Amino acid sequence: DGGITQSPKYLFRKEGQNVTLSCEQNLNHDAMYWYRQDPGQGLRLIYYSQIVNDFQKGDIAEGYSVSREKKESFPLTVTSAQKNPTAFYLCASSRRVLYEQYFGPGTRLTVT
Amino acid sequence: GENVEQHPSTLSVQEGDSAVIKCTYSDSASNYFPWYKQELGKRPQLIIDIRSNVGEKKDQRIAVTLNKTAKHFSLHITETQPEDSAVYFCAAITSSCGTSYGKLTFGQGTILTVHP
Repeated sequence: DGGITQSPKYLFRKEGQNVTLSCEQNLNHDAMYWYRQDPGQGLRLIYYSQIVNDFQKGDIAEGYSVSREKKESFPLTVTSAQKNPTAFYLCASSRRVLYEQYFGPGTRLTVT
Repeated sequence: GENVEQHPSTLSVQEGDSAVIKCTYSDSASNYFPWYKQELGKRPQLIIDIRSNVGEKKDQRIAVTLNKTAKHFSLHITETQPEDSAVYFCAAITSSCGTSYGKLTFGQGTILTVHP
């Protein structure tokens, strides 16, 4: 289970505030991903990055932003523009695109 | 873009029975199909995957079959045990034209319950 970490495990924010979720990996993986998981809806891709300083929008990128300044790190900012931010957020990494994705333990964000 | 449909949404079996979960995908260019198991409150973990150049892959009690013509793939679990109870997700990935870019699209998940 080691190798990819997310912090914090639980996060509470007031509506209108931006919040940044951390994701770090020491697997030397090129690709990193952010997913959102809601009950009964599976995992939906928010953003992904193949290399440093490059990232692509996923299926539900609106209201989110990312950066990839270091290979090991891929933080996700949930902005106030995200209409329904309360969810379970999972970060993942893989050696390359067509290889197994390893998931972090997730961050449960609650916005009230 | 890719669309992955997964059925059934819930599956209940008796210990020792087999369980089958099916997924269909829309993009004929998809070429990698992993299956993930997620236990309650934990992260998804890969249990088996298959690439488009093979039709079947087995790993002990777990097998995956792929029908590229029909664009569907299935997970088969034999001799189920209570510890197999979890949510299972299928996924498909398409890499863009000759590059390593691509994204994974997940099915909606199947809640498998194995009764002792």
